[in-house]
Amino acid sequence: EIVLTQSPGTLSLSPGERATLSCRASQSVSSSYLAWYQQKPGQAPRLLIYGASSRATGIPDRFSGSGSGTDFTLTISRLEPEDFAVYFCQQYGSSLYTFGQGTKLEIK
Amino acid sequence: QVQLQESGPGLVKPSGTLSLTCAVSGGSITSDNWWSWVRQPPGKGLEWIGEIYQNGRTNYNPSLKSRVTVSVDKSKNQFSLNLSSVTAADTAVYYCARNLKWELGDWGQGTLVTVSS
Repeated sequence: EIVLTQSPGTLSLSPGERATLSCRASQSVSSSYLAWYQQKPGQAPRLLIYGASSRATGIPDRFSGSGSGTDFTLTISRLEPEDFAVYFCQQYGSSLYTFGQGTKLEIK
Repeated sequence: QVQLQESGPGLVKPSGTLSLTCAVSGGSITSDNWWSWVRQPPGKGLEWIGEIYQNGRTNYNPSLKSRVTVSVDKSKNQFSLNLSSVTAADTAVYYCARNLKWELGDWGQGTLVTVSS
């Protein structure tokens, strides 16, 4: 089973700043199989990025994904107040989906 | 857009069976998609439970495989989750979701299931 480790656990930034979230896999992951989700309190996760770098429908272009192999990154170019939430990465492999433990993005 | 809605008991006794249903609207469960269950213990991360295709083919998380059954009811446009021999560790918000390719594109709002006597 591929384990995803996200860092940092908590990221404290101000609106307008740039956020960089990391997701590291215990073994190589096909870029096609890597996704990112945003979750706000009391809500279901929302798909942001699929295929490591493709934005889901309706996702603003300030969200971008990159990476390959074992290292993947979610970047939010200029933080808006509504972006403060928890972010999860997810991979698919061998008919199994696994998630990272999450990064909490909080207002500084 | 496809909408999903979970339903089922919010309280299950230890050693009992947790049973949930996910009703699909705005689309057909016989579309070319897999359908998943995911859970999230309070304050914790996400755990994928399993998935089903319209023909009844399933895949399960190995960590839960011995206790999980996912089934589909095409006549009602819904799919279901049964989790047996539950303990307090199974207390979580349970989500149903529609798989796109290798990611989960549409999610239900989630339902909290508490395991307690």
